[in-house]
Amino acid sequence: DQQVKQNSPSLSVQEGRISILNCDYTNSMFDYFLWYKKYPAEGPTFLISISSIKDKNEDGRFTVFLNKSAKHLSLHIVPSQPGDSAVYFCAASGSNSNSGYALNFGKGTSLLVTP
Amino acid sequence: GAGVSQSPSNKVTEKGKDVELRCDPISGHTALYWYRQSLGQGLEFLIYFQGNSAPDKSGLPSDRFSAERTGGSVSTLTIQRTQQEDSAVYLCASSGGGDYGYTFGSGTRLTVV
Repeated sequence: DQQVKQNSPSLSVQEGRISILNCDYTNSMFDYFLWYKKYPAEGPTFLISISSIKDKNEDGRFTVFLNKSAKHLSLHIVPSQPGDSAVYFCAASGSNSNSGYALNFGKGTSLLVTP
Repeated sequence: GAGVSQSPSNKVTEKGKDVELRCDPISGHTALYWYRQSLGQGLEFLIYFQGNSAPDKSGLPSDRFSAERTGGSVSTLTIQRTQQEDSAVYLCASSGGGDYGYTFGSGTRLTVV
């Protein structure tokens, strides 16, 4: 079963505007959340993360918001740039995981930023 | 090397054949993970190695899948008697241990025909 869900397979945003990518999870034991960015023919690269003790983490143009009661997180990119066009994966893990730091990934959202 | 290296980058194999996929992690990284991404799906955890400890194989989908890590460095993922549903991109990642900041390789795209 999919414990991390990204319900929007794709998103198109104009350059300079805000991109909002959403992610929902079902496992209440998850306590660490990450966003990865993936270009074609490359492996995913880490973008930003948030611990469950926080509700917001900001890094430059990227901000992740966490709503634990709703089991929802979102990634905001502002302003969006054409180079941000990629597939964005939401991932989560629980500190009680027996698999080291193995992550549960969503299916990804393909972001297209148009000039 | 500077990053995680995977080979081959592409592999086409006939149904029923065995395949081996290789991962060279970043030098000194103690943790190594294998994931796969099937078409339209997210990344699926397969197996985890940490140092010299026994690997966590809880994500392997069947007993046709196995992996080893020699000398705490290079890892090989073996799929025996491949099936069409094994077609996916197989991704390897390594980390220095103790955090989620791991580095992925570019993956091996496996196509079973």
